[in-house]
This record gives sequence, C-alpha cells and structure tokens, in this order.
Amino acid sequence: GENVEQHPSTLSVQEGDSAVIKCTYSDSASNYFPWYKQELGKGPQLIIDIRSNVGEKKDQRIAVTLNKTAKHFSLHITETQPEDSAVYFCAASISGTGRRALTFGSGTRLQVQP
Amino acid sequence: DAGVTQSPTHLIKTRGQQVTLRCSPKSGHDTVSWYQQALGQGPQFIFQYYEEEERQRGNFPDRFSGHQFPNYSSELNVNALLLGDSALYLCASSPLAGGSTDTQYFGPGTRLTVL
Repeated sequence: GENVEQHPSTLSVQEGDSAVIKCTYSDSASNYFPWYKQELGKGPQLIIDIRSNVGEKKDQRIAVTLNKTAKHFSLHITETQPEDSAVYFCAASISGTGRRALTFGSGTRLQVQP
Repeated sequence: DAGVTQSPTHLIKTRGQQVTLRCSPKSGHDTVSWYQQALGQGPQFIFQYYEEEERQRGNFPDRFSGHQFPNYSSELNVNALLLGDSALYLCASSPLAGGSTDTQYFGPGTRLTVL
C-alpha cells in the first residue's frame, strides 16, 4: 500500500520567515495530494491540495509543489504569522470513486516565534 | 452550512467494553470515512461508506465495524476494547459525485480513552 513520509517533524521559524515541509510517497498511482492543518483539540482542516496534472498551486501565502517523477511534494508558507503555529499533515490518495482513502504523513509541528 | 459533526466529544471506557461513535456529514455529502489518530501521529484510515455499504477498508481488525444510514450519517463501532484503541477518532465526509469528490472534510473528532 501507499506510504507517505514527512519531514521535518518539528520546525521553528521567526515571524515573517518562510517555512517548508516536504513529503514523499511510494505509490506512483497516487494522484491527489492534500495538506491539512490541525490545531490543538480540533480536527484536520484542509488548507490546500494539488492534483497530479498540476506542478504548483498557490493560495495567498501558501503554495504546494509536486514532482511526480521524484514522488515528492512540498508545502511552502511565506510571511509566517503566529497563527500559523499548528501541526501540518500531508496526505496522498488515488483519485476516483471508491478509492479515496487518504494516507497521511506523520505530521510537522510548526512553531512561529513572534 | 453545518460542517461535519461528531458525537460524543469525549468518551471513557474500560477494556473489553464496546463503544459507538456517531458522525453527520457535511450538507450535500454522501460519503463518510473514518480515521483513527493516535497521539502524536497522523490519522490512519479505518473504512469508508457510501450508498450504505462499506466500500474500502484499511488495516484494522473486524472488531471495528460501521454503518451508514439513509440520511448519510454514520456510526463506528468498536468491540472488545483494548488499551491501544485509545485515540482521536475522526470522521470525514466528501461528495460521491460532482466536483471536488476527492476533498475530504473532517469533523472535530471523538476522543476515546480506554482504561
């Protein structure tokens, strides 16, 4: 089955700096890659996703890049703010009805120092 | 527009007992997936339901079972609870058809503690 590895496990940055989180996946059939943000005591919240027919996607301060050949994808957060502090998870799945189980990475705890 | 809701918020059980967790999907969604999230780890897929049937299952024993009702809500049942079943149980919903069928929206979870 699919295996997703995520690093780093913890990341501390100064407010205003950029943060990058990287993930690799094993199943070349995976073609949907969402990123979730989870705050303490809450469920994961989708922040951005990308499909295999796209190499990069941006949404304000957040961007995701995908390299299908190398089977890795990354989350980039620019101009970090204290409210960005949370645990971030990458995930992968095979798009299509009946095959949408998400396989998650182990998470990255991001701390933005004011 | 109500998001995914789960009940109860917290639950404490003892080993060997049985537990039922409940989930109501986001409005307009008919597919429900359940995940188990142990402390400090990423969520792990348990199973997925649509059209009232289990469609896909992760690597969990058959002590874990589920059900989906005609109104698309779902239950997760765990029998013969073990200490290792202590975790946050997350429900996610998505539409079966139409745009963004891959996108899964998560509820706040049910925190299960097994003593």
